Amino acid sequence: DAGVTQSPTHLIKTRGQQVTLRCSPKSGHDTVSWYQQALGQGPQFIFQYYEEEERQRGNFPDRFSGHQFPNYSSELNVNALLLGDSALYLCASSLGGEWYGYTFGSGTRLTVV
Amino acid sequence: GQQVMQIPQYQHVQEGEDFTTYCNSSTTLSNIQWYKQRPGGHPVFLIQLVKSGEVKKQKRLTFQFGEAKKNSSLHITATQTTDVGTYFCAGIAAGNKLTFGGGTRVLVKP
Repeated sequence: DAGVTQSPTHLIKTRGQQVTLRCSPKSGHDTVSWYQQALGQGPQFIFQYYEEEERQRGNFPDRFSGHQFPNYSSELNVNALLLGDSALYLCASSLGGEWYGYTFGSGTRLTVV
Repeated sequence: GQQVMQIPQYQHVQEGEDFTTYCNSSTTLSNIQWYKQRPGGHPVFLIQLVKSGEVKKQKRLTFQFGEAKKNSSLHITATQTTDVGTYFCAGIAAGNKLTFGGGTRVLVKP
């Protein structure tokens, strides 16, 4: 039974570029949440997708957008990258929301130079 | 907005000793969860507490949810080197999504 799969594992981008991160949820899970974790900090909620719609959003600018596909996989897109976007991006999957705990992927380490 | 704070930020523990880490929310929580993140790893779900005053145990770990459902604690007894990592609490308030605290980084001295 596969857990949460994220790709790529590492990425280096130049300021101003755009990036797409991908996530495949754990088998049987229908909800995908994205978090940004800066070094030494707790994960910060970006948004959550359920039934292919953004269900709720954290305090992130519109440069951050996402998508969920019919097979429940998800993408996180970040436009006009800033140096401050450098972080570990975590995808978490769950069934029906957050009430039974999240399963996290190993994350994508994004470095903006 | 909802804020979740954890203290201490760092915990240096002698192997074999006990310690407690605390979690406080600015709002009443419906649910609180605890996660452990090993160095270089990702958060792993440990447990969920829902009821006021609830206490749950997992081997050497004891989790408690406060009576007012605004705070929680994690107590580890007889600390081992395998306990090294960052422990996060994460709470859900009405209408909000899972909000993480800043974590307690645990270092164990052998």
